[in-house]
Amino acid sequence: EAQVTQNPRYLITVTGKKLTVTCSQNMNHEYMSWYRQDPGLGLRQIYYSMNVEVTDKGDVPEGYKVSRKEKRNFPLILESPSPNQTSLYFCASRDGGGYNEQFFGPGTRLTVL
Amino acid sequence: GDSVTQMEGPVTLSEEAFLTINCTYTATGYPSLFWYVQYPGEGLQLLLKATKADDKGSNKGFEATYRKETTSFHLEKGSVQVSDSAVYFCALSDSGGGADGLTFGKGTHLIIQP
Repeated sequence: EAQVTQNPRYLITVTGKKLTVTCSQNMNHEYMSWYRQDPGLGLRQIYYSMNVEVTDKGDVPEGYKVSRKEKRNFPLILESPSPNQTSLYFCASRDGGGYNEQFFGPGTRLTVL
Repeated sequence: GDSVTQMEGPVTLSEEAFLTINCTYTATGYPSLFWYVQYPGEGLQLLLKATKADDKGSNKGFEATYRKETTSFHLEKGSVQVSDSAVYFCALSDSGGGADGLTFGKGTHLIIQP
C-alpha cells in the first residue's frame, strides 16, 4: 500500500529536550515536505526536499532542522524545542512537479511543556 | 507572495443541502489549484484539482472550476451527506517545476447534521 508514515503519532516533551519525528514514504517520490498545522493558521510549510541531500527552507523554518540521506526518509529535528512549537505536524511527498498531488502522513501531535 | 483565502466556518448544513465553500487566491504565476479534505484524526487527502484556467476538477460529487478572471476556485456539492463532515482546505502550487510546496487557506470546518 502506497503511504507516508510518521512516528511518533503523539509526543509530549519538555522545553530543550532534543527530539526527532521520522517520516518515510514507499512511493519512490523525490519531493518531500514538512508542514505544521495550527488553529486559525491552516498549514504552513517548514522545510522541503527536492531529492537526496537537497533541502530548503519553507515559510516557517526557525527552530527546525531536516536531513535527506535516503530518498524514502525525511526526519524533522527539533534541537531545542520550545512551547511555541506545540503543533500538529504533517509530512508529505509528491512525484514530479507542483501540479501533482501531495500525499500526507497521518500527523504527529507534539506538545512542548 | 502567494496566498489563499477561504471562509473559515464552521459551516453547518443539513443533510442533502447544497454546499458552496468559497476560495480565492493571489499568485504571481499560473498556479495549480487543489482542494484537500481532512477527516477527524487523519491526514489530508486530495479531493480534486485543476491545473489551468477553466479546468473543472471533480470527485465524490464535489466540483470546483478554476476561474482565472476572478482568481477563484469555489468548492460545490449538490447534496451533502453526514459523511462529508470534515475540514476542507483550498491550496495552490505556484511552481510547476516543483521547487515550492502548497500554500494553504486556513481551512473550512464543515458540519453536516442528519
